[in-house]
Amino acid sequence: AQSVTQPDIHITVSEGASLELRCNYSYGATPYLFWYVQSPGQGLQLLLKYFSGDTLVQGIKGFEAEFKRSQSSFNLRKPSVHWSDAAEYFCAVGHLTGGGNKLTFGTGTQLKVEL
Amino acid sequence: DVKVTQSSRYLVKRTGEKVFLECVQDMDHENMFWYRQDPGLGLRLIYFSYDVKMKEKGDIPEGYSVSREKKERFSLILESASTNQTSMYLCASTLGGETQYFGPGTRLLVL
Repeated sequence: AQSVTQPDIHITVSEGASLELRCNYSYGATPYLFWYVQSPGQGLQLLLKYFSGDTLVQGIKGFEAEFKRSQSSFNLRKPSVHWSDAAEYFCAVGHLTGGGNKLTFGTGTQLKVEL
Repeated sequence: DVKVTQSSRYLVKRTGEKVFLECVQDMDHENMFWYRQDPGLGLRLIYFSYDVKMKEKGDIPEGYSVSREKKERFSLILESASTNQTSMYLCASTLGGETQYFGPGTRLLVL
């Protein structure tokens, strides 16, 4: 069965510092991979996704992620964090079933930004 | 832009009550999903639907049912609410199997 591990429950970085959020997945075939962000009290917003092709994926808000098949990882990065990036971040792996694409989510990483 | 709306942002119910959570999407999406979100557990899939009147169980369907009578609307039903169903409920929709678009969530408290 597919699974997603986000090993860091909480991360604190200073504004302007670089950020890397870790994500490891387990899936038998070529995965569809996603990063979502959730601001307090809000739904989830898609940051970026990987389906195929270039393993370095650019997303919104200056985020990027790199798919590394050999490490079963899809880590999220940002070169310079802004205070507004404080939120919870979820990695997910998608798999086709029936007529739809089911997502399995990680448990999330809470990002705190110190000013 | 895709818009997914949920009928309530906050809901307080009593144990044993029947609870309806409604989700509406405006982009003619085929697939709709209900998740619950709990601290430290991430999002877990309750039910999903890939067509009108079609439904499939997700990972945690116990205590829940769903209804999809129209393409744009997907309802989650708690037949007899219990305190362990206190949670954040998120609805999502997708067209053909790619990106899921999420609603703002309903925070349900069962007393």
